[in-house]
Amino acid sequence: AQTVTQSQPEMSVQEAETVTLSCTYDTSESNYYLFWYKQPPSRQMILVIRQEAYKQQNATENRFSVNFQKAAKSFSLKISDSQLGDTAMYFCAFMKPAAGNMLTFGGGTRLMVKP
Amino acid sequence: NAGVTQTPKFQVLKTGQSMTLQCAQDMNHNSMYWYRQDPGMGLRLIYYSASEGTTDKGEVPNGYNVSRLNKREFSLRLESAAPSQTSVYFCASSAGILGGYGYTFGSGTRLTVV
Repeated sequence: AQTVTQSQPEMSVQEAETVTLSCTYDTSESNYYLFWYKQPPSRQMILVIRQEAYKQQNATENRFSVNFQKAAKSFSLKISDSQLGDTAMYFCAFMKPAAGNMLTFGGGTRLMVKP
Repeated sequence: NAGVTQTPKFQVLKTGQSMTLQCAQDMNHNSMYWYRQDPGMGLRLIYYSASEGTTDKGEVPNGYNVSRLNKREFSLRLESAAPSQTSVYFCASSAGILGGYGYTFGSGTRLTVV
């Protein structure tokens, strides 16, 4: 079974600065997908970014980028130019392609962006 | 708006009562899921349905049952609620064919069992 670990329960960053959230995972698979989800106080789960394990290039979505280190089984999220609206819980998640394509989530990191 | 609709948004039950959480998606997705979210534990999979007509247990299925009524609808039933089932419940769906696609989530149901 896959496990996903987020070692930072809480983090804070000043507005306009850069912050990196950590995620490690454990799997014996070679083909899989990794995701970061954002959950603001509204409780809605929002997909932030997606990475395919067979692609070496790190995914980027506007101010959000990842550092994917396959050998180290590490998948960190970098948020540049942090905005107040980035305040949320962030969840790292792992998917092994299979019937059902289930997502396994980490425990989450609560990010506070301070003005 | 297209997406995943969950009802109800909030519910308080007494220990031993039963209830059904409803979920419907209008994106023609094949796969649907039920997760529970507890503080510090992220989201844990209760049950999933890879395609219409199939259901399978996830990580924490005890105390729950599900029904994939049709391609659109996937319900979660608590037969005899317990305080340990106090949680936020999320329904989600995905295209689920080739894998690798993120889920679309409902807005969640906050359930309190007293």
